[in-house]
Amino acid sequence: AQTVTQSQPEMSVQEAETVTLSCTYDTSENNYYLFWYKQPPSRQMILVIRQEAYKQQNATENRFSVNFQKAAKSFSLKISDSQLGDTAMYFCAFSPSYGKLTFGQGTILTVHP
Amino acid sequence: NAGVTQTPKFQVLKTGQSMTLQCAQDMNHEYMSWYRQDPGMGLRLIHYSVGAGITDQGEVPNGYNVSRSTTEDFPLRLLSAAPSQTSVYFCASSYSLNQETQYFGPGTRLLVL
Repeated sequence: AQTVTQSQPEMSVQEAETVTLSCTYDTSENNYYLFWYKQPPSRQMILVIRQEAYKQQNATENRFSVNFQKAAKSFSLKISDSQLGDTAMYFCAFSPSYGKLTFGQGTILTVHP
Repeated sequence: NAGVTQTPKFQVLKTGQSMTLQCAQDMNHEYMSWYRQDPGMGLRLIHYSVGAGITDQGEVPNGYNVSRSTTEDFPLRLLSAAPSQTSVYFCASSYSLNQETQYFGPGTRLLVL
């Protein structure tokens, strides 16, 4: 069975600074997808970024980028130029080739003005 | 497009009562799933469906039933509610089972007394 671990229950950052959220996973699959979802206080789950395991290039979406280390089974999220609207719970998630997401426990990120 | 919709937004039940959580999507997605979110545990898969007439169990299926008579709808039934089922429930859908980004509904908060 796959497991996803987020070792940072809470993080905080000053507005305009950079923060990195950690995620590790365990799987015997070779082909899979990794995701970061954001959950603001509204509870809506919002996709932030996704990474295909077969791609060596790290995914980027505007201020969000990942550091994907397949051998180490690590998938961290870097948020640059943090904004107040980035305050949310962030979930790392794993999906093998046959679907079905497995989520980490989540990291609460607070951006301070 | 309304995306993924869920009703009700909030429900209080007494132990032993039954109810159905509704989920609908208007994106013609084949794959639909139900998750529950509990504090400190991320989201866990309850049941999923790869198309009309086909359902399967996820990680935590006990106490829940599902059916998929149409592509659009995927209701989740609690036959005899228990306090352990107090949680926030999310429905999600994607175009297909394989590696697709899942889109989440707004969630239903359920309190079982």
